[in-house]
Amino acid sequence: QQQVKQSPQSLIVQKGGISIINCAYENTAFDYFPWYQQFPGKGPALLIAIRPDVSEKKEGRFTISFNKSAKQFSLHIMDSQPGDSATYFCAARGNTGNQFYFGTGTSLTVIP
Amino acid sequence: ETGVTQSPTHLIKTRGQQVTLRCSSQSGHNTVSWYQQALGQGPQFIFQYYREEENGRGNFPPRFSGLQFPNYSSELNVNALELDDSALYLCASSLARSSGNTGELFFGEGSRLTVL
Repeated sequence: QQQVKQSPQSLIVQKGGISIINCAYENTAFDYFPWYQQFPGKGPALLIAIRPDVSEKKEGRFTISFNKSAKQFSLHIMDSQPGDSATYFCAARGNTGNQFYFGTGTSLTVIP
Repeated sequence: ETGVTQSPTHLIKTRGQQVTLRCSSQSGHNTVSWYQQALGQGPQFIFQYYREEENGRGNFPPRFSGLQFPNYSSELNVNALELDDSALYLCASSLARSSGNTGELFFGEGSRLTVL
């Protein structure tokens, strides 16, 4: 059973456009929601993270929107650049335990 | 600051063999987690080690085992390899969760295992 569901599987965006990736979860015990960026041949790197007591967090061109009642959260990449082309994973962790649950990933391609 | 390093980067084994993967944690981190990432999938939690003891385990059989050493480095051992064990094995270090930190993961570049 997939604890965190991610969509879309792939995304193609023009340079300068907005990329939006969505995730949904069921477990209300999750209390930490990071997003990771992974380039081919590399390990995932933490991009930005949010706690459920905050509805939005922005760092540079990257924004997480969090809807606790809907149990959904999304990553918005503003002014998308070709260098943003990578696979993005959402994740969640419970308020006890140490396991992170990852989504299945979104392959983003930004066309120049 | 030294990041997470893993070895070997690539290896090929045959079904039934055993493999050991190694990980050096990021400087200052005391916790190591291992994840399996199949092609086209997100990482799946195998287990975590803290203070040289297993501190949480995902849905993986006992033939997946590990160690953590006093310097916080770690090993992942997989016995009786199966074809489905072919994957990227990721090590992540972190600080133990507390009121002062989130326990966020810092990943290495992984060890790509192919089982024939």
